[in-house]
Amino acid sequence: KAGVTQTPRYLIKTRGQQVTLSCSPISGHRSVSWYQQTPGQGLQFLFEYFSETQRNKGNFPGRFSGRQFSNSRSEMNVSTLELGDSALYLCASSKGQGTGGTSTDTQYFGPGTRLTVL
Amino acid sequence: SQKIEQNSEALNIQEGKTATLTCNYTNYSPAYLQWYRQDPGRGPVFLLLIRENEKEKRKERLKVTFDTTLKQSLFHITASQPADSATYLCAYHNAGNMLTFGGGTRLMVKP
Repeated sequence: KAGVTQTPRYLIKTRGQQVTLSCSPISGHRSVSWYQQTPGQGLQFLFEYFSETQRNKGNFPGRFSGRQFSNSRSEMNVSTLELGDSALYLCASSKGQGTGGTSTDTQYFGPGTRLTVL
Repeated sequence: SQKIEQNSEALNIQEGKTATLTCNYTNYSPAYLQWYRQDPGRGPVFLLLIRENEKEKRKERLKVTFDTTLKQSLFHITASQPADSATYLCAYHNAGNMLTFGGGTRLMVKP
């Protein structure tokens, strides 16, 4: 079974630009979550999509948005890039079972997209 | 606010010894905790999940404990090997399918 794939793997942008990152989940997985990882803040949850609907959202500004397609593939968009947006962006897929704190849904992470904002 | 904390200092141990990593949480009572391994430049890989009613969980050389009184989970690697060198993260699910991660502890196993 193929794992989670993310494209591109590396990206360099300048301040003010916008960027779109892509994630293809494991076949059969309906939930895709996005995380931002930085040395200072660690891994932080951005949002989760399930069946083309945003199901949960973290504490990030509206410049960060996403969507999910009918084949469960997901894209994440960041507009008006800032230097602080430089990070490793990780996507994780899961079956999507369970929505509460008792969920045991294992998440499978992709290799990430390394975004550098100059 | 809910917090989950790990020792940010790297843990250096000799090959063959047991590595013990700590995860503490506050202002929340997770039903279970998960542990992940992350290698440089790669995404986290799921290792183990332990539920609040389980005191201990094992998988090969890995052992996780969960003490709800101390609000702490310990992650042990026995007979450690240089290949175990990585960053280890603990996490729990908040409402929904959202994972809250600790900052991770970097483990270095020296031959």
